[in-house]
Amino acid sequence: GIQVEQSPPDLILQEGANSTLRCNFSDSVNNLQWFHQNPWGQLINLFYIPSGTKQNGRLSATTVATERYSLLYISSSQTTDSGVYFCAVDIGNQFYFGTGTSLTVIP
Amino acid sequence: DTAVSQTPKYLVTQMGNDKSIKCEQNLGHDTMYWYKQDSKKFLKIMFSYNNKELIINETVPNRFSPKSPDKAHLNLHINSLELGDSAVYFCASSPSSAQQFFGPGTRLTVL
Repeated sequence: GIQVEQSPPDLILQEGANSTLRCNFSDSVNNLQWFHQNPWGQLINLFYIPSGTKQNGRLSATTVATERYSLLYISSSQTTDSGVYFCAVDIGNQFYFGTGTSLTVIP
Repeated sequence: DTAVSQTPKYLVTQMGNDKSIKCEQNLGHDTMYWYKQDSKKFLKIMFSYNNKELIINETVPNRFSPKSPDKAHLNLHINSLELGDSAVYFCASSPSSAQQFFGPGTRLTVL
């Protein structure tokens, strides 16, 4: 089956720092989403980005489908950004989640 | 006006029991899903279902079965619960394999 790997697995940032999270996938995909799972367990949609670049406030994402990776950029990180970030890829009506990046932002 | 809702939020039960988790979406989406998140936070798809097709992840035991009374609901039934079934179960919906929206999750604990 498809492999979806994220890096780094864990990340600790000082508040205000920038970071880049990576998602690699082993096969062609129809779609890709980024999620933030907050400390209360809620999965929050960040981006639906099968290709190209999107920005939403301090967050932006880029997917290069031909090279099978996506990047999530977090700028000027805040403590509320803490949690686990997942990418998920769609191959024909089934989504497969990546291994996740656990982010801790310290004040 | 919650988009995807699940009940109950917490479920504690004994081994061997049968239980159900309900999911409802008011987004008018065609497709609904069930996911399991284990203790290591790994999220794995269990089922995807629309009006025409049920796709079952082959690793899901047949003790788990989705039931859809209508387009807005996809309930998860679990028979003969085992300790290893303890996890957080998420329901999600999407408009035909596009962006997914997740429910708040149901934490199942099997004693």
